[in-house]
Amino acid sequence: EIVLTQSPGTLSLSPWERVTLSCRASQSISRGYLAWYQHKPGQAPRLLLSAASIRAPGIPDRFSGSGSGTDFTLTISGLEPEDSAVYYCQQYSTSPWTFGQGTRVEFK
Amino acid sequence: QVQLVQSGAEVKKPGSSVKMSCKASGGTFKNYALNWVRLAPGQGLQWVGGIIPLYGSTEYAPRFQGRVTITTDESTTMGYMEMSSLRSEDTAVYYCGRGGIAVPYWTPDIWGQGTMVTVSS
Repeated sequence: EIVLTQSPGTLSLSPWERVTLSCRASQSISRGYLAWYQHKPGQAPRLLLSAASIRAPGIPDRFSGSGSGTDFTLTISGLEPEDSAVYYCQQYSTSPWTFGQGTRVEFK
Repeated sequence: QVQLVQSGAEVKKPGSSVKMSCKASGGTFKNYALNWVRLAPGQGLQWVGGIIPLYGSTEYAPRFQGRVTITTDESTTMGYMEMSSLRSEDTAVYYCGRGGIAVPYWTPDIWGQGTMVTVSS
């Protein structure tokens, strides 16, 4: 199965900063079939992006994604207090679909 | 606006089975995929499996193959996941999620509230 490695593990930031999260795959993800989710404690996951860069309905444009092959990034431009969460990447190119281990974004 | 409503928390003994439900209130699973994802304590999200009723196809993560069965009932707009031979490592919150049409099948954008399953002797 495809292993996704996310970095860094934790980010401590200030509001309004720009942040870039990384997701690296153990093998190439075809057609850019990579998604990003936001997950807050006690809540359901929230789909942010699919196909590496396509925002899900209702997702603000401060969330953007890029990448191809084995390297993908999620960028949040202008962190807002409600963005404190764990962010996961997921590949849906090769079954079984797999998630990365997550990057925790917290505020200083 | 469709909502997914999951069944309540369960406490189970090791070796037993659990069957949890996910109702599509105000919607259907007919042209979508029903996914199940879990979050165990101290771990990240883990995809368990899913079904696309329109094609009659199911997919399971290999670590759950043979232990998990995912089904839907269109007459009641219900989805189910049954897991057998439970062990303590299966203690987790289980989420159902619906994907398809506006988003890819296997990337849910509509989620249930989660079902806590505790496996303990």
